[in-house]
Amino acid sequence: SQQGEEDPQALSIQEGENATMNCSYKTSINNLQWYRQNSGRGLVHLILIRSNEREKHSGRLRVTLDTSKKSSSLLITASRAADTASYFCATRRISSGSARQLTFGSGTQLTVLP
Amino acid sequence: GAVVSQHPSWVICKSGTSVKIECRSLDFQATTMFWYRQFPKQSLMLMATSNEGSKATYEQGVEKDKFLINHASLTLSTLTVTSAHPEDSSFYICSAAGAGATYEQYFGPGTRLTVT
Repeated sequence: SQQGEEDPQALSIQEGENATMNCSYKTSINNLQWYRQNSGRGLVHLILIRSNEREKHSGRLRVTLDTSKKSSSLLITASRAADTASYFCATRRISSGSARQLTFGSGTQLTVLP
Repeated sequence: GAVVSQHPSWVICKSGTSVKIECRSLDFQATTMFWYRQFPKQSLMLMATSNEGSKATYEQGVEKDKFLINHASLTLSTLTVTSAHPEDSSFYICSAAGAGATYEQYFGPGTRLTVT
């Protein structure tokens, strides 16, 4: 079942601008991950943030996690047309143990206009 | 990084026939493989989790007799859609997890199934 919601559902920005996507979830988690999916393709892992971390950076990506609010945000700075894709957050519940099951959010479709 | 492949990348079949989709981990041993289904413009929905050498665990609402999963080796899992119907048309994505892998799961490129 869907764990979380993402907003906005769709985001359209100009190249060079920053894009921020938010994810909310419902249960206690072990970690939260962000993935990218180009249309009709598989998922590419972007970044993982553990439940005891508050912020993480990777290149132009910045992820924050607020476990008290059960929410996370993904910021892409200086966006490029090639960043156009769907972005999903995924959570691994604490109760999943060794099963490593992920539950995906509803996704944000990002369009970066050249 | 770890690579997961799927075959075929797309398939068209007629109603009532069965289709087999393969998921392979190419450079690591996948102790666990996951199968997801994704409808257009929607998120991924976990269908089942399979551990090598044991029966798959299906999510609620997924018919195990319709979606047969076999994980016979540490590098191969198969999903067979039996007696396919047009409503089974979807994008099927597998992922694999294994000991020593950096990330939780590595995803395959997906298989587009169209049932006519």
